[in-house]
Amino acid sequence: QKEVEQNSGPLSVPEGAIASLNCTYSDRVSQSFFWYRQYSGKSPELIMSIYSNGDKEDGRFTAQLNKASQYVSLLIRDSQPSDSATYLCAVRRASKIIFGSGTRLSIRP
Amino acid sequence: EPEVTQTPSHQVTQMGQEVILRCVPISNHLYFYWYRQILGQKVEFLVSFYNNEISEKSEIFDDQFSVERPDGSNFTLKIRSTKLEDSAMYFCATRQGRNLSNEKLFFGSGTQLSVL
Repeated sequence: QKEVEQNSGPLSVPEGAIASLNCTYSDRVSQSFFWYRQYSGKSPELIMSIYSNGDKEDGRFTAQLNKASQYVSLLIRDSQPSDSATYLCAVRRASKIIFGSGTRLSIRP
Repeated sequence: EPEVTQTPSHQVTQMGQEVILRCVPISNHLYFYWYRQILGQKVEFLVSFYNNEISEKSEIFDDQFSVERPDGSNFTLKIRSTKLEDSAMYFCATRQGRNLSNEKLFFGSGTQLSVL
């Protein structure tokens, strides 16, 4: 079983719509959860971090965490062409931070 | 915003040669990481480093790999005898790690390693 699992996509969403990205993780003692965005040829950049069950909102982004189901999601509202990128889910246990393989998101005009 | 600096940006080497990739972490950060990303694939954890020693390492990080902080500022990754399959982008990342509000991993812009 992969430690952090994501659908690879591509996920195609019309401009202005909501994009929904999902992630599951295998290690129940994972402590912190992150969403990173990576543009082609660039390094990952942090969008959101979440540590406790529930929702966390930051501008157009909402992260959701359900530790019982070992599930993290990211919603992007009012999707823009600049949101087209690969979205990486990451999970921290102790000093180790593991990334999923990423979901490619494409926002179509 | 503070930056993690990596050098060189590109490194071309012959199979079997040793390479050293360099990283200057953000000054008050305590946790240092190396990741690699083969073209089109996932960001893979190699090693974490804290308090001048390795905290965790992956199966990829075998005896051919080593890390050190030789002068208290630079953080280096050495590959002793490079193989073709070591060709990848190598990212250094650091975080402060003192509390939950300092969890953000700051990534350098990477070193593209090509082994011929």
